[in-house]
Amino acid sequence: DGGITQSPKYLFRKEGQNVTLSCEQNLNHDAMYWYRQDPGQGLRLIYYSQIVNDFQKGDIAEGYSVSREKKESFPLTVTSAQKNPTAFYLCASSTLFTGRSSGANVLTFGAGSRLTVL
Amino acid sequence: QKEVEQNSGPLSVPEGAIASLNCTYSDRGSQSFFWYRQYSGKSPELIMFIYSNGDKEDGRFTAQLNKASQYVSLLIRDSQPSDSATYLCAVTPSGGYQKVTFGTGTKLQVIP
Repeated sequence: DGGITQSPKYLFRKEGQNVTLSCEQNLNHDAMYWYRQDPGQGLRLIYYSQIVNDFQKGDIAEGYSVSREKKESFPLTVTSAQKNPTAFYLCASSTLFTGRSSGANVLTFGAGSRLTVL
Repeated sequence: QKEVEQNSGPLSVPEGAIASLNCTYSDRGSQSFFWYRQYSGKSPELIMFIYSNGDKEDGRFTAQLNKASQYVSLLIRDSQPSDSATYLCAVTPSGGYQKVTFGTGTKLQVIP
């Protein structure tokens, strides 16, 4: 089945430690995204990537890093510089739907990774 | 001003009624508009998207877009308890791999 796989589903981290969240997709999508979700704050964009070896900062990139060495993979590292990392992290990918005169990048999400800092 | 604004709710409707969810956006250049549904503890899933003014219908769901008023809505007809979830509005500035900005979501409760 095609989809997006995120791992681990749950992760506990001590303060001062870096952690890496995995995101793999087999949908042949070019673009990939990382969002963070906190209660009552919706989804906030951390980083996104349109092609391999290229990525752009989103609205809350500080304290995070990413890489895009393969089309299928877009791992997110939460560094010790991130002051409040406890959150639900969502990875997504998109294809461009071209219908009529415009297109829409429909996002497909993974199941998410829940990070808790102890 | 937030880029995408939604009333957080909860919005309570009786089973079988029409639920109306609203969203406003600040960027007049926004081109594509999405509605996602998110059950508690789960990831969002697409309900539908719209990019032309007017209505777009898909089963019990109708998306309405008014670019002049910078307003997009989602109507759910014959609401079911299984529709109880948080509904996220999202916008993107133009076709292509642009950043997708989400609202904070509206929690819908359908009362049996």
